[in-house]
Amino acid sequence: EAGVTQFPSHSVIEKGQTVTLRCDPISGHDNLYWYRRVMGKEIKFLLHFVKESKQDESGMPNNRFLAERTGGTYSTLKVQPAELEDSGVYFCASSQDITDTQYFGPGTRLTVL
Amino acid sequence: AQSVTQPDIHITVSEGASLELRCNYSYGATPYLFWYVQSPGQGLQLLLKYFSGDTLVQGIKGFEAEFKRSQSSFNLRKPSVHWSDAAEYFCAVGAWSGGSNYKLTFGKGTLLTVNP
Repeated sequence: EAGVTQFPSHSVIEKGQTVTLRCDPISGHDNLYWYRRVMGKEIKFLLHFVKESKQDESGMPNNRFLAERTGGTYSTLKVQPAELEDSGVYFCASSQDITDTQYFGPGTRLTVL
Repeated sequence: AQSVTQPDIHITVSEGASLELRCNYSYGATPYLFWYVQSPGQGLQLLLKYFSGDTLVQGIKGFEAEFKRSQSSFNLRKPSVHWSDAAEYFCAVGAWSGGSNYKLTFGKGTLLTVNP
């Protein structure tokens, strides 16, 4: 069974540009989460999808971040326009039921110059 | 709101030595508890989890953790460390907030270095 995949693995962009991160969860997992780790800090929750609906987006930093989950399958996280403080590693995780174990992808390392 | 404290940012042990990584949490009820490990260039891998029942939990790679409610702790242990255990270890709490929202809250991580 394929695990959670994320694309790209690395992204380097200039301040003000737009970047879109993609996450493909484990097949059949209704719950999809995004987390972020800024350098030197803990991994922090961004948002949670149940199928195609946003269940909780309380961790999204501001309105420059837009997450979607088309048809309840893969998800994208767009940052527009990117700022320096958006640099970090963005993790995606999925689970079958809401309190089941969350399986994490390898992360996308975003660097904003 | 829940929180997780991993007091040790960096630990160095010799190969073959025993290991204990500390984790304390703050949450109003019994949480779901997890330890994840991130090896260089890899994603987060689940080592073990505690939901209920036996407070001593066995995980993969020879790791175990003990839930102590009175101390709000969930320390990770391994009797004999291997060089391949060098990685960053994260303790996490799974908890409900706002009634119907569930998420993981992580500690800052402990980086483990293993000397030959």
